[in-house]
Amino acid sequence: EAGVAQSPRYKIIEKRQSVAFWCNPISGHATLYWYQQILGQGPKLLIQFQNNGVVDDSQLPKDRFSAERLKGVDSTLKIQPAKLEDSAVYLCASSLVAEARLRHNEQYFGPGTRLTVT
Amino acid sequence: AQSVTQLGSHVSVSEGALVLLRCNYSSSVPPYLFWYVQYPNQGLQLLLKYTSAATLVKGINGFEAEFKKSETSFHLTKPSAHMSDAAEYFCAVSDRKAKGGGADGLTFGKGTHLIIQP
Repeated sequence: EAGVAQSPRYKIIEKRQSVAFWCNPISGHATLYWYQQILGQGPKLLIQFQNNGVVDDSQLPKDRFSAERLKGVDSTLKIQPAKLEDSAVYLCASSLVAEARLRHNEQYFGPGTRLTVT
Repeated sequence: AQSVTQLGSHVSVSEGALVLLRCNYSSSVPPYLFWYVQYPNQGLQLLLKYTSAATLVKGINGFEAEFKKSETSFHLTKPSAHMSDAAEYFCAVSDRKAKGGGADGLTFGKGTHLIIQP
């Protein structure tokens, strides 16, 4: 079974530029997550999709971050414009669960995209 | 909101010695708890999870963790450390209730870097 795919693996941009990250979850997984992991910290949830709908974006800085999952499969996370403090690893994860009673279902993580903003 | 505290950003043990990584959570109700491992330049891999069944949970690679409600703890242990165990370990809790159902996003601790000395 193929895992969660992410691209690019590394990206270096200057502040105020735009950048986009792509994620392809495990086939059949209904739920998709984007996390931000700043160096020395644990991952922080940015946004959660259930199929192609957003179910939690409370920690997404909406003035500069956006994400979409148009067909309920792969997803794109965009930053526009980037700031120095956006330097981090952006992790995508997916989960199979579709029922509330399975809310603890395992999340599978991709390798991440390491973003450096200079 | 729930939170997770991992005591000790770095833990060093000798090969063959007991591994103990500490995790405490804050919650008004027993949450779902997880331990993930992250190797350099890789995504997170689930070691084990507590989902209100048995309080002693066994995971992969010989790791186990015990849920103690009275102490609000979920410490990770392994009887005998191997060199291959050197990695970053994250404790996480499932908290916010996604309005659309599905598995909740995770709140992570800051991580503990495990160093194995030969």
